[in-house]
Amino acid sequence: AQTVTQSQPEMSVQEAETVTLSCTYDTSESDYYLFWYKQPPSRQMILVIRQEAYKQQNATENRFSVNFQKAAKSFSLKISDSQLGDAAMYFCAYRITNAGGTSYGKLTFGQGTILTVHP
Amino acid sequence: SAVISQKPSRDICQRGTSLTIQCQVDSQVTMMFWYRQQPGQSLTLIATANQGSEATYESGFVIDKFPISRPNLTFSTLTVSNMSPEDSSIYLCSGQESGTEAFFGQGTRLTVV
Repeated sequence: AQTVTQSQPEMSVQEAETVTLSCTYDTSESDYYLFWYKQPPSRQMILVIRQEAYKQQNATENRFSVNFQKAAKSFSLKISDSQLGDAAMYFCAYRITNAGGTSYGKLTFGQGTILTVHP
Repeated sequence: SAVISQKPSRDICQRGTSLTIQCQVDSQVTMMFWYRQQPGQSLTLIATANQGSEATYESGFVIDKFPISRPNLTFSTLTVSNMSPEDSSIYLCSGQESGTEAFFGQGTRLTVV
């Protein structure tokens, strides 16, 4: 079974600084997707960034970037120029690529990291 | 992306009763899922809601406790039956279409007293 581990229950960062959230996962599959989701107090799950396992290039979305190390099964999220609105619970998640390359599937989540941003 | 409206947003229920949570999507989606998020914890998949057939439950979840309906491609319900305080959680529905990423409802915060 696939597992996702986030070893940092809580992290904090000063506004405008950079913070990195860690995630490791375990799978025997070679083709899969990895995600970072943000859950603010409103409870709405918001997709931050995704990475396809077959892509060597690390995904980037504005201030958010990942460091994907497939051999090490590591998938960290870097938030640059942190803003007060970045404060939330962040979840790392995994999804297998279905047979035929379709992109459906259930998500397996890590335990989450609470990010606090100090003004 | 599509939008899910989830109701109710929160509820406080007596033990032994049942609560039905509804999710309405503003467009047809192939896949819908139900997750549970216990206080301060991660999301755990309860089941995949299959249109026109019985839901597919994950280990540890059973149909008698969490009956699910999916009468069409835009709507699904999850019932939490015979509730106990241990069922106090946030319940989230999720939808997904091929080639797109999963999107979520706003969640239902359930408190059982």
